[in-house]
Amino acid sequence: KAGVTQTPRYLIKTRGQQVTLSCSPISGHRSVSWYQQTPGQGLQFLFEYFSETQRNKGNFPGRFSGRQFSNSRSEMNVSTLELGDSALYLCASSLAGVSVDEQFFGPGTRLTVL
Amino acid sequence: AQSVTQLDSHVSVSEGTPVLLRCNYSSSYSPSLFWYVQHPNKGLQLLLKYTSAATLVKGINGFEAEFKKSETSFHLTKPSAHMSDAAEYFCVVSPYNFNKFYFGSGTKLNVKP
Repeated sequence: KAGVTQTPRYLIKTRGQQVTLSCSPISGHRSVSWYQQTPGQGLQFLFEYFSETQRNKGNFPGRFSGRQFSNSRSEMNVSTLELGDSALYLCASSLAGVSVDEQFFGPGTRLTVL
Repeated sequence: AQSVTQLDSHVSVSEGTPVLLRCNYSSSYSPSLFWYVQHPNKGLQLLLKYTSAATLVKGINGFEAEFKKSETSFHLTKPSAHMSDAAEYFCVVSPYNFNKFYFGSGTKLNVKP
């Protein structure tokens, strides 16, 4: 079974631009979560999608948005990029996103904002 | 309220000696608890999980953790550290019937030869 894939793996953008990151979950998984990881703040939850609906949201500004398609693939968009958005963005998929489910993580997309 | 506290940001051990990574949690509901490991420039990998069955949970690579409800702890242990264990470890709590996962701040394990 293929694992969680994220594209692109690396991205360099400048302030003010926008970016779209993509995540393909493990086949059969319907829940996709996004996390931001930085040295200073650690792992922070962005949002979770289940069956094309945003089910949970973390404490990030509205510049961060996402969506999920009918095949469970998910995209995350960040508009008006700021230097502080430089981070590793991790995507995780699970069967249903309930508390007992294991989350499977992708390798991440490293975003650098200049 | 739900939270996870990893008591040590860095732990350093010698190869062949025991490893102890400490985690305390707070949860309003019976939680599921997880330990994940992240090697440099890699995604997170599940080491083990507790979901209200046996309180002593065995995971991959010789790691195990014990759920202690009275102490609200879920410490990760390994009898003998290996150089390949050097990584960052995250304790995660998910309250029962919730679909939210709360991550600790991580513990970086250094293994000295």
